Amino acid sequence: EAGVTQFPSHSVIEKGQTVTLRCDPISGHDNLYWYRRVMGKEIKFLLHFVKESKQDESGMPNNRFLAERTGGTYSTLKVQPAELEDSGVYFCASSQGAGHYSYEQYFGPGTRLTVT
Amino acid sequence: AQKITQTQPGMFVQEKEAVTLDCTYDTSDQSYGLFWYKQPSSGEMIFLIYQGSYDEQNATEGRYSLNFQKARKSANLVISASQLGDSAMYFCARNSWGKLQFGAGTQVVVTP
Repeated sequence: EAGVTQFPSHSVIEKGQTVTLRCDPISGHDNLYWYRRVMGKEIKFLLHFVKESKQDESGMPNNRFLAERTGGTYSTLKVQPAELEDSGVYFCASSQGAGHYSYEQYFGPGTRLTVT
Repeated sequence: AQKITQTQPGMFVQEKEAVTLDCTYDTSDQSYGLFWYKQPSSGEMIFLIYQGSYDEQNATEGRYSLNFQKARKSANLVISASQLGDSAMYFCARNSWGKLQFGAGTQVVVTP
């Protein structure tokens, strides 16, 4: 079974440009999450999809970030325009369920974004 | 905000020894889950072990065990018989309706 995949693995862009990150969850996982870790800080939740719907987007930092999940399959996270403080590693994770109790989240390898 | 605290930024441990990584958390919830993830230098996040707040027994997975003390709100990870491949960053996390809240992590270096 294929794991969570993310593309690209690395991206270097200039301030003001646009970048789109892609995540393909494990097949059959309705729940998809985006997290990011900026340098020296904790891993922070960005948002949670259930199928194609945004369940929780409380962690999205501002309106320069736009996440979509087409048809409940893969997801994209667009940053437009990128700022220096957006540099970090963006992780995607997926899970079968999302109760208050337990569901293991399987993480992708992450996309390292560098904004210069 | 409800926090996850990992007080040890870094630790050295000798091969074959056991190591305990501390994790405490804030929560007013009665039902929640606690997770530990490992992040080696390659960057991927690897799930290690899970403990549910209502589980009566401490979780174990091979060389990993979780010392869960609910009243003290702590969920320490114990790695027994450390191996060189255990060198990595270790994150404690709490599940809040699917959203994982992470601690700052502990960098573990296993020495021969």
